[in-house]
Amino acid sequence: AQSVAQPEDQVNVAEGNPLTVKCTYSVSGNPYLFWYVQYPNRGLQFLLKYITGDNLVKGSYGFEAEFNKSQTSFHLKKPSALVSDSALYFCAIRRGDYKLSFGAGTTVTVRA
Amino acid sequence: NAGVTQTPKFQVLKTGQSMTLQCAQDMNHNSMYWYRQDPGMGLRLIYYSASEGTTDKGEVPNGYNVSRLNKREFSLRLESAAPSQTSVYFCASSADRLPYEQYFGPGTRLTVT
Repeated sequence: AQSVAQPEDQVNVAEGNPLTVKCTYSVSGNPYLFWYVQYPNRGLQFLLKYITGDNLVKGSYGFEAEFNKSQTSFHLKKPSALVSDSALYFCAIRRGDYKLSFGAGTTVTVRA
Repeated sequence: NAGVTQTPKFQVLKTGQSMTLQCAQDMNHNSMYWYRQDPGMGLRLIYYSASEGTTDKGEVPNGYNVSRLNKREFSLRLESAAPSQTSVYFCASSADRLPYEQYFGPGTRLTVT
């Protein structure tokens, strides 16, 4: 069955430093992978997706994600974090029944 | 273009009371979803609708009913609320083509006392 895991509940970084949020996946066949962000008291906003092609995917707000088939990972990255990036981040995978399966989420705190 | 809208934003119920959460989308999507979000558990699918008139159970359907009133609207009903249903509820919609990306509403924060 298709599923994702986010191994870190929390990530803390200083503003200006690189930010990485980890996601690993399990799938039979080719994965369709997504990252969403949730700001406090808001709904989820789509950041980026991997369907096929280039392993480095660029998304909104300066985020990018690297698809690694050998390591079954899809880590979210930002070269220089901002305080405003503090939020809850979800990785998701499209299942065979076309629904999404979400990870438990990673809380990112960027300190000034 | 409002995207996905939900009402109400907040609600407090007593155990045993009923209520309906409303959701509407203006993106002409066929698929609509109801999720609940609880700390440390991510989003769990309650019900899903692939088109007007069709609904399917998700991972946690017990205690809930849904209605796909038309293509735009998908409501979630709690017939007899329980404290375990205290959660944040999100509605989402998606197109029926790759990559099936979902668009979310702002959520309803429900407390059952």
